[in-house]
Amino acid sequence: DGGITQSPKYLFRKEGQNVTLSCEQNLNHDAMYWYRQDPGQGLRLIYYSQIVNDFQKGDIAEGYSVSREKKESFPLTVTSAQKNPTAFYLCASQKQSSYNEQFFGPGTRLTVL
Amino acid sequence: DQQVKQNSPSLSVQEGRISILNCDYTNSMFDYFLWYKKYPAEGPTFLISISSIKDKNEDGRFTVFLNKSAKHLSLHIVPSQPGDSAVYFCAAREPGGGSNYKLTFGKGTLLTVNP
Repeated sequence: DGGITQSPKYLFRKEGQNVTLSCEQNLNHDAMYWYRQDPGQGLRLIYYSQIVNDFQKGDIAEGYSVSREKKESFPLTVTSAQKNPTAFYLCASQKQSSYNEQFFGPGTRLTVL
Repeated sequence: DQQVKQNSPSLSVQEGRISILNCDYTNSMFDYFLWYKKYPAEGPTFLISISSIKDKNEDGRFTVFLNKSAKHLSLHIVPSQPGDSAVYFCAAREPGGGSNYKLTFGKGTLLTVNP
């Protein structure tokens, strides 16, 4: 079945450590996105990529980094520079044509201790 | 400044009645609007959308209405079912250069449908 996978579902890290969240899609979508959700908040855009080897900062990119070496994969690294990393992280992908919705993965809950 | 606002954090309705979820926006450049449904600890799933050239779109029990002059859209669920209990996010798209489509999300409304 086609879809988006994020692993792991739950992730714990010590403060000061970098951590990489995985996102893989087999939908042959060109665009991929990373969002963060905090309690009582909407989804806020961290980074997005329209094409392989290219990506742009979203609204809250500070303390995060991404790569897009393959169409299927868009990993997100939460660095030690991110002041409040504990959150629910969502990856999404979208076919690059008009009026297509973004499809979301199941999310990764990151807790920094 | 929030460009997409869902002013009701929560809504409670009885099973079988209508649920109306509201969303307001400020950016007149938005050309496409979407509603997503989200259960706890899961990713959002797409429900229904509407282009800015339309004022209504219907899909089964779900209908979205768009009032461009008021910069307001609403999602109607009729009849409401207990399985509809979830957080509903309104999202809007502003077309950018090339194929640059970003979505701006509201903060969500928690719908509870009581049996």
